[in-house]
Amino acid sequence: GQQLNQSPQSMFIQEGEDVSMNCTSSSIFNTWLWYKQDPGEGPVLLIALYKAGELTSNGRLTAQFGITRKDSFLNISASIPSDVGIYFCAGRIQGAQKLVFGQGTRLTINP
Amino acid sequence: NAGVTQTPKFQVLKTGQSMTLQCAQDMNHNSMYWYRQDPGMGLRLIYYSASEGTTDKGEVPNGYNVSRLNKREFSLRLESAAPSQTSVYFCASSAPRVLAGGEQFFGPGTRLTVL
Repeated sequence: GQQLNQSPQSMFIQEGEDVSMNCTSSSIFNTWLWYKQDPGEGPVLLIALYKAGELTSNGRLTAQFGITRKDSFLNISASIPSDVGIYFCAGRIQGAQKLVFGQGTRLTINP
Repeated sequence: NAGVTQTPKFQVLKTGQSMTLQCAQDMNHNSMYWYRQDPGMGLRLIYYSASEGTTDKGEVPNGYNVSRLNKREFSLRLESAAPSQTSVYFCASSAPRVLAGGEQFFGPGTRLTVL
């Protein structure tokens, strides 16, 4: 089946640092989504991308839909303690009902 | 709006027991999904329902059955629970792709342990 490669798997950073993570696929997607999951909760949608090259921000978060439509990245600027959690990318190929999820990036922040 | 709700939040079963996980959404979404989440495995699709009256298998359907009771409710049943089904189960829903691009909204999860 379809697979997304999400990296890094985990990150340990200092408060205030910027964070970057990405997802790549062997397939072309026409939608990229980024979710965050807090401990004990369900994933929450952060950013949705629908066009190749699209760059979208949500506060300190910025995500881009890669030009090749096979990748996407998420940046978090000036990290704060509440950014801790697991970040998932998800993509959908044209005509498909289902999403394909990455394995997640676990973010840990040292104060 | 409560969004997507799931019951129960926690459940412990013995091997061979059966149970049904309940999910409801109040966003008037057409499509609903069941996922399981295991450490290091991300989210894996068990079953989904593109619209009321239809259900389809996902990536890991074995050992599960689903019922789309109406537009709001989508239940997941374990007929004979096995330890391998110990996991966190998430329900999600989405509006039609042509309107919303396939964005899925998740419930809080059910944490299931099978002994």
